[in-house]
Amino acid sequence: AQKVTQAQTEISVVEKEDVTLDCVYETRDTTYYLFWYKQPPSGELVFLIRRNSFDEQNEISGRYSWNFQKSTSSFNFTITASQVVDSAVYFCALDYGQNFVFGPGTRLSVLP
Amino acid sequence: EAQVTQNPRYLITVTGKKLTVTCSQNMNHEYMSWYRQDPGLGLRQIYYSMNVEVTDKGDVPEGYKVSRKEKRNFPLILESPSPNQTSLYFCASTGGHDEQFFGPGTRLTVL
Repeated sequence: AQKVTQAQTEISVVEKEDVTLDCVYETRDTTYYLFWYKQPPSGELVFLIRRNSFDEQNEISGRYSWNFQKSTSSFNFTITASQVVDSAVYFCALDYGQNFVFGPGTRLSVLP
Repeated sequence: EAQVTQNPRYLITVTGKKLTVTCSQNMNHEYMSWYRQDPGLGLRQIYYSMNVEVTDKGDVPEGYKVSRKEKRNFPLILESPSPNQTSLYFCASTGGHDEQFFGPGTRLTVL
């Protein structure tokens, strides 16, 4: 069965701290795609990154970076030097062909 | 501007009163889907559609219907809403295995 686990329900950090959000997925498919989305307090869903199963290169985009490890079925997301505007719920998601499955989300609170 | 629109954005209704939430996308995407978001459960897929006249059940289809008569529209129908369908609903579309574009959400309350 396809599944995405985000074990951290809520995380609180102080501004400028680094924080890593964990994502572990399960799938039997060899071709799949992983995503991260951000949902700020305003409620919309904002796309952050897409990674396919054949590309294990880590990615950095500004203060954001992603670590994809097939050996541990993980796709973790790190925010460096966090800011108050990073406060949101973050979802990891798996696209395994015809369907998507989302993790339960991690609520990140960045305190000033 | 590429977008997914949903209407209404907010709806309060009573048990048993049929309702439809509309969803429209202007990106000529083939794949569209509906999700519901509940606290602690993330987004769960209700139904999806690979193309016109092709729909399939997601993880939580009970109590919902959909139709896909045209590529751009994918309405969600609750024939007889119940309080356990109170939720935040998102429509989404994608052109392939790219990012899903989400609508702004519809907050539904069933009394």
